[in-house]
Amino acid sequence: QVTLKESGPVLVKPTETLTLTCTVSGFSLSNARVGVSWIRQPPGKALEWLAHIFSNDAKSYSTSLKSRLTISKDTSKSQVILTMTNVDPVDTATYYCARLYDFWGAYVEDYWGQGILVTVSS
Amino acid sequence: DIQMTQSPSSLSASVGDRVTITCRASQGISDYLAWFQQKPGKAPKLLIYAASSLQSDVPSKFSGSGSGTDFTLTINGLQPEDFATYYCHQYTNYPWTFGQGTKVEI
Repeated sequence: QVTLKESGPVLVKPTETLTLTCTVSGFSLSNARVGVSWIRQPPGKALEWLAHIFSNDAKSYSTSLKSRLTISKDTSKSQVILTMTNVDPVDTATYYCARLYDFWGAYVEDYWGQGILVTVSS
Repeated sequence: DIQMTQSPSSLSASVGDRVTITCRASQGISDYLAWFQQKPGKAPKLLIYAASSLQSDVPSKFSGSGSGTDFTLTINGLQPEDFATYYCHQYTNYPWTFGQGTKVEI
């Protein structure tokens, strides 16, 4: 059974660094056919793709947030970590991690975590 | 960045209706297009990938079509559990992007 679970602080102050962890089970981060994405959703708004990482450690980032994001993984712990520096109230959102699966040569998010609501406020 | 524009932004429908949602990409994305369903307070659920392939365990009342820049999601025989927000998502050009969502209401 594939599951993903996000963890981290629910409240952070402006200018601080946010670190979120996605713990996965039911698949291995070393599997060449999978990866993990981070996606966020501000309250009442649309989904926004942030970053993803693959088994070979290849990474991609949102153009607008690239300078503030870092994605990494610890395969032995089955965890993918996302850090976001210098947070602002506009970063208040539910943050989701999702498994990327290779469907016919292209990866798409097929399983999602429940999400974690992170509020940025002083 | 590729812009994904969904229409309509919201629609009202009745149980049993056939509903069609469209998604237009600002440039060609071949068939690298997915559709997700999201219910309030829940994570999105993958319905369709590769523009027209039904994800396993998704009922066949959902169907997708299109290629290039224009795509559609059709729901046949709308049921109460189908009232939700639907998002399209392109996953070929970086940065990957989502549409703004279409809310299907009673």
